[in-house]
Amino acid sequence: KAGVTQTPRYLIKTRGQQVTLSCSPISGHRSVSWYQQTPGQGLQFLFEYFSETQRNKGNFPGRFSGRQFSNSRSEMNVSTLELGDSALYLCASSLATGGASETQYFGPGTRLLVL
Amino acid sequence: AQSVTQPDIHITVSEGASLELRCNYSYGATPYLFWYVQSPGQGLQLLLKYFSGDTLVQGIKGFEAEFKRSQSSFNLRKPSVHWSDAAEYFCAVGDGNTGFQKLVFGTGTRLLVSP
Repeated sequence: KAGVTQTPRYLIKTRGQQVTLSCSPISGHRSVSWYQQTPGQGLQFLFEYFSETQRNKGNFPGRFSGRQFSNSRSEMNVSTLELGDSALYLCASSLATGGASETQYFGPGTRLLVL
Repeated sequence: AQSVTQPDIHITVSEGASLELRCNYSYGATPYLFWYVQSPGQGLQLLLKYFSGDTLVQGIKGFEAEFKRSQSSFNLRKPSVHWSDAAEYFCAVGDGNTGFQKLVFGTGTRLLVSP
């Protein structure tokens, strides 16, 4: 079974631009979560989508948004990029039907550099 | 709110020696606990997880972890370290109240393996 895939793997943007990252979950997984990883703040939860609905949200400004499609693929968007948005963005998927199925499996990440 | 503490930022272990990485969590009920490993420039790979039942859990690559409720700990162990184990290790807790998908991570422990 294929793992979680994320595209693109690397991105360079300039301040003020917007960016869209994509995540394809493991087949059959309905939950997709996004995390931001930076050297200063570590791994922080952005949001989670389940069956096309945002179910959980972290403490990030409204510039960070996401969505999930009917095939469970997810995108996250960051508008008006700031230098501090430079990070590794990780996507994780899970079955999320209780118990051990809550286990999240991570993709390789998208590394975003904002200049 | 739940939290995870990994008190050791760096640990150096000789190849073939045993390893123990510490993890302490703060959470009111029975937590869902995870250990992930991250190689440079890569995503997170799940090593093992604890949901309930036997407090000693086995994972991949010869790792194990023991859940100790009285100490609020979930330490990761390996009897004999290989050079390929050099990586960063993250402990995480999932909160049933706010959503198991909203993982809270520790700051990580970077493992260095000396020859």
